[in-house]
Amino acid sequence: DGGITQSPKYLFRKEGQNVTLSCEQNLNHDAMYWYRQDPGQGLRLIYYSQIVNDFQKGDIAEGYSVSREKKESFPLTVTSAQKNPTAFYLCASSVQANQPQHFGDGTRLSIL
Amino acid sequence: QKEVEQNSGPLSVPEGAIASLNCTYSDRVSQSFFWYRQYSGKSPELIMSIYSNGDKEDGRFTAQLNKASQYVSLLIRDSQPSDSATYLCAAPDTGGFKTIFGAGTRLFVKA
Repeated sequence: DGGITQSPKYLFRKEGQNVTLSCEQNLNHDAMYWYRQDPGQGLRLIYYSQIVNDFQKGDIAEGYSVSREKKESFPLTVTSAQKNPTAFYLCASSVQANQPQHFGDGTRLSIL
Repeated sequence: QKEVEQNSGPLSVPEGAIASLNCTYSDRVSQSFFWYRQYSGKSPELIMSIYSNGDKEDGRFTAQLNKASQYVSLLIRDSQPSDSATYLCAAPDTGGFKTIFGAGTRLFVKA
Protein backbone atom coordinates (compact mmCIF):
# COMPACT_ATOMS: atom_id res chain seq x y z
CA ASP A 1 0.00 0.00 0.00
CA GLY A 2 1.19 3.52 -0.77
CA GLY A 3 1.78 5.88 2.07
CA ILE A 4 4.11 7.92 4.22
CA THR A 5 6.21 6.25 6.89
CA GLN A 6 7.70 8.20 9.76
CA SER A 7 10.12 6.68 12.21
CA PRO A 8 10.64 6.36 15.03
CA LYS A 9 7.23 6.88 16.61
CA TYR A 10 8.83 8.14 19.84
CA LEU A 11 12.26 9.71 20.23
CA PHE A 12 14.16 11.05 23.19
CA ARG A 13 16.94 13.60 22.86
CA LYS A 14 19.73 14.24 25.32
CA GLU A 15 21.09 17.71 25.94
CA GLY A 16 23.44 18.81 23.17
CA GLN A 17 22.49 15.95 20.89
CA ASN A 18 21.35 16.08 17.27
CA VAL A 19 18.61 13.66 16.30
CA THR A 20 17.23 12.73 12.90
CA LEU A 21 13.60 11.93 12.12
CA SER A 22 12.94 9.75 9.11
CA CYS A 23 10.20 10.33 6.51
CA GLU A 24 9.76 8.02 3.52
CA GLN A 25 6.96 8.05 0.95
CA ASN A 26 6.13 5.64 -1.86
CA LEU A 27 3.38 7.77 -3.39
CA ASN A 28 5.67 9.20 -6.07
CA HIS A 29 4.89 12.70 -4.76
CA ASP A 30 7.16 15.58 -5.74
CA ALA A 31 6.49 17.82 -2.73
CA MET A 32 7.28 17.00 0.90
CA TYR A 33 6.88 18.96 4.14
CA TRP A 34 7.80 18.97 7.81
CA TYR A 35 5.51 20.46 10.46
CA ARG A 36 5.77 20.89 14.18
CA GLN A 37 2.69 20.72 16.40
CA ASP A 38 2.75 21.69 20.07
CA PRO A 39 -0.04 20.53 22.43
CA GLY A 40 -3.34 22.24 21.65
CA GLN A 41 -1.76 24.24 18.83
CA GLY A 42 -1.93 24.28 15.06
CA LEU A 43 0.64 23.14 12.50
CA ARG A 44 3.78 25.19 11.98
CA LEU A 45 5.84 24.68 8.83
CA ILE A 46 9.52 23.88 9.40
CA TYR A 47 10.81 23.07 5.90
CA TYR A 48 9.35 22.11 2.56
CA SER A 49 10.66 20.67 -0.68
CA GLN A 50 8.98 20.99 -4.04
CA ILE A 51 11.35 18.69 -5.86
CA VAL A 52 14.36 16.48 -5.21
CA ASN A 53 17.60 18.32 -4.38
CA ASP A 54 15.70 21.48 -3.48
CA PHE A 55 14.15 22.66 -0.21
CA GLN A 56 13.02 25.91 1.40
CA LYS A 57 12.77 27.21 4.96
CA GLY A 58 9.33 27.44 6.44
CA ASP A 59 8.17 29.63 9.29
CA ILE A 60 10.23 28.06 12.09
CA ALA A 61 13.38 26.62 10.44
CA GLU A 62 15.88 27.76 13.08
CA GLY A 63 17.47 24.80 14.85
CA TYR A 64 16.42 22.32 12.15
CA SER A 65 17.98 21.01 8.95
CA VAL A 66 16.78 18.78 6.10
CA SER A 67 17.99 17.07 2.96
CA ARG A 68 16.20 15.84 -0.16
CA GLU A 69 18.63 13.58 -1.96
CA LYS A 70 15.95 11.15 -3.10
CA LYS A 71 12.39 11.78 -4.19
CA GLU A 72 10.98 9.39 -1.60
CA SER A 73 12.99 10.58 1.41
CA PHE A 74 12.98 13.85 3.39
CA PRO A 75 14.75 13.42 6.75
CA LEU A 76 14.62 16.15 9.40
CA THR A 77 17.49 16.76 11.83
CA VAL A 78 16.70 18.50 15.08
CA THR A 79 19.97 20.10 16.12
CA SER A 80 21.22 21.05 19.58
CA ALA A 81 20.51 24.66 18.59
CA GLN A 82 16.77 23.94 18.91
CA LYS A 83 16.35 24.63 22.62
CA ASN A 84 12.73 23.56 22.91
CA PRO A 85 12.37 20.52 20.66
CA THR A 86 9.61 18.73 22.56
CA ALA A 87 6.71 18.45 20.10
CA PHE A 88 4.82 16.24 17.69
CA TYR A 89 6.56 16.25 14.29
CA LEU A 90 4.54 15.56 11.17
CA CYS A 91 5.81 14.79 7.68
CA ALA A 92 3.51 15.23 4.68
CA SER A 93 3.67 14.92 0.92
CA SER A 94 1.61 16.01 -2.07
CA VAL A 95 1.65 15.40 -5.81
CA GLN A 96 2.62 19.01 -6.31
CA ALA A 97 3.03 21.95 -3.94
CA ASN A 98 -0.53 23.29 -4.31
CA GLN A 99 -2.30 19.93 -3.96
CA PRO A 100 -3.79 18.27 -0.85
CA GLN A 101 -1.24 16.83 1.52
CA HIS A 102 -1.11 13.36 2.99
CA PHE A 103 0.43 12.94 6.41
CA GLY A 104 2.51 10.30 8.12
CA ASP A 105 1.66 9.10 11.63
CA GLY A 106 4.13 11.49 13.25
CA THR A 107 7.07 11.32 15.63
CA ARG A 108 6.87 12.49 19.24
CA LEU A 109 10.15 14.00 20.38
CA SER A 110 10.94 14.62 24.04
CA ILE A 111 13.98 15.80 25.97
CA LEU A 112 15.58 13.45 28.48
CA GLN B 1 -6.17 39.32 8.95
CA LYS B 2 -4.59 35.87 9.01
CA GLU B 3 -4.50 34.02 5.71
CA VAL B 4 -6.84 31.30 7.01
CA GLU B 5 -8.92 31.83 10.16
CA GLN B 6 -11.05 29.45 12.14
CA ASN B 7 -12.92 29.72 15.40
CA SER B 8 -11.01 27.50 17.82
CA GLY B 9 -14.20 26.34 19.52
CA PRO B 10 -14.98 24.05 21.09
CA LEU B 11 -18.15 23.52 19.11
CA SER B 12 -20.51 21.17 20.89
CA VAL B 13 -23.47 19.53 19.12
CA PRO B 14 -25.79 16.69 20.12
CA GLU B 15 -25.62 13.38 18.32
CA GLY B 16 -27.66 13.42 15.12
CA ALA B 17 -27.44 17.20 14.67
CA ILE B 18 -25.71 19.12 11.88
CA ALA B 19 -22.27 20.46 12.80
CA SER B 20 -21.22 23.58 10.91
CA LEU B 21 -17.55 24.49 10.81
CA ASN B 22 -16.48 27.76 9.26
CA CYS B 23 -13.30 29.23 7.85
CA THR B 24 -12.54 32.67 6.42
CA TYR B 25 -9.59 33.49 4.21
CA SER B 26 -7.64 36.43 2.87
CA ASP B 27 -6.45 37.36 -0.62
CA ARG B 28 -3.08 35.79 0.23
CA VAL B 29 -4.35 32.26 -0.42
CA SER B 30 -5.43 30.63 -3.62
CA GLN B 31 -8.95 29.43 -4.36
CA SER B 32 -8.46 25.76 -3.51
CA PHE B 33 -9.48 24.60 -0.05
CA PHE B 34 -8.93 21.45 1.92
CA TRP B 35 -10.59 20.15 5.10
CA TYR B 36 -8.65 17.83 7.39
CA ARG B 37 -9.78 15.94 10.47
CA GLN B 38 -7.34 15.36 13.31
CA TYR B 39 -8.19 13.07 16.19
CA SER B 40 -6.43 13.74 19.47
CA GLY B 41 -2.87 12.44 19.33
CA LYS B 42 -3.10 11.48 15.67
CA SER B 43 -2.04 13.03 12.38
CA PRO B 44 -4.41 15.01 10.13
CA GLU B 45 -6.33 13.16 7.43
CA LEU B 46 -7.82 14.76 4.35
CA ILE B 47 -11.62 14.54 4.21
CA MET B 48 -12.68 17.05 1.53
CA SER B 49 -11.28 19.30 -1.17
CA ILE B 50 -13.24 22.09 -2.87
CA TYR B 51 -12.07 24.19 -5.78
CA SER B 52 -15.12 26.03 -7.12
CA ASN B 53 -17.99 28.10 -5.77
CA GLY B 54 -20.94 26.21 -4.38
CA ASP B 55 -21.43 22.94 -2.55
CA LYS B 56 -19.63 19.63 -2.76
CA GLU B 57 -21.11 16.61 -1.03
CA ASP B 58 -19.41 13.41 0.06
CA GLY B 59 -21.49 11.15 2.26
CA ARG B 60 -22.37 12.99 5.46
CA PHE B 61 -19.95 15.81 4.63
CA THR B 62 -20.70 18.92 2.56
CA ALA B 63 -18.10 21.55 1.79
CA GLN B 64 -19.32 25.00 0.78
CA LEU B 65 -17.23 27.70 -0.87
CA ASN B 66 -18.31 31.33 -1.22
CA LYS B 67 -15.58 33.27 -3.00
CA ALA B 68 -17.44 36.59 -2.89
CA SER B 69 -17.59 36.49 0.91
CA GLN B 70 -14.26 34.66 1.27
CA TYR B 71 -15.47 31.85 3.45
CA VAL B 72 -15.52 28.11 3.23
CA SER B 73 -17.50 25.81 5.49
CA LEU B 74 -17.84 22.14 6.30
CA LEU B 75 -21.20 20.67 7.28
CA ILE B 76 -21.40 17.31 8.99
CA ARG B 77 -24.88 15.82 8.89
CA ASP B 78 -26.12 13.26 11.43
CA SER B 79 -23.12 13.97 13.67
CA GLN B 80 -21.74 10.99 15.57
CA PRO B 81 -19.54 10.88 18.68
CA SER B 82 -16.82 9.47 16.39
CA ASP B 83 -16.81 12.82 14.56
CA SER B 84 -15.39 14.46 17.70
CA ALA B 85 -12.04 15.82 16.53
CA THR B 86 -10.27 18.99 15.48
CA TYR B 87 -11.07 20.12 11.93
CA LEU B 88 -8.44 22.04 10.01
CA CYS B 89 -9.14 24.31 7.06
CA ALA B 90 -6.23 24.78 4.64
CA ALA B 91 -5.38 26.48 1.35
CA PRO B 92 -2.24 26.91 -0.78
CA ASP B 93 -0.70 30.37 -0.58
CA THR B 94 -0.83 32.51 -3.69
CA GLY B 95 2.75 31.55 -4.49
CA GLY B 96 1.59 27.96 -4.70
CA PHE B 97 4.62 26.69 -2.81
CA LYS B 98 3.14 25.88 0.58
CA THR B 99 -0.20 25.32 2.26
CA ILE B 100 -1.55 27.58 4.96
CA PHE B 101 -3.41 25.77 7.75
CA GLY B 102 -5.94 27.33 10.06
CA ALA B 103 -5.54 26.72 13.78
CA GLY B 104 -8.46 24.28 13.72
CA THR B 105 -11.90 24.04 15.34
CA ARG B 106 -12.49 21.44 18.05
CA LEU B 107 -15.78 19.62 17.63
CA PHE B 108 -17.50 17.62 20.39
CA VAL B 109 -20.48 15.47 19.52
CA LYS B 110 -22.44 14.53 22.65
CA ALA B 111 -24.10 11.14 22.77
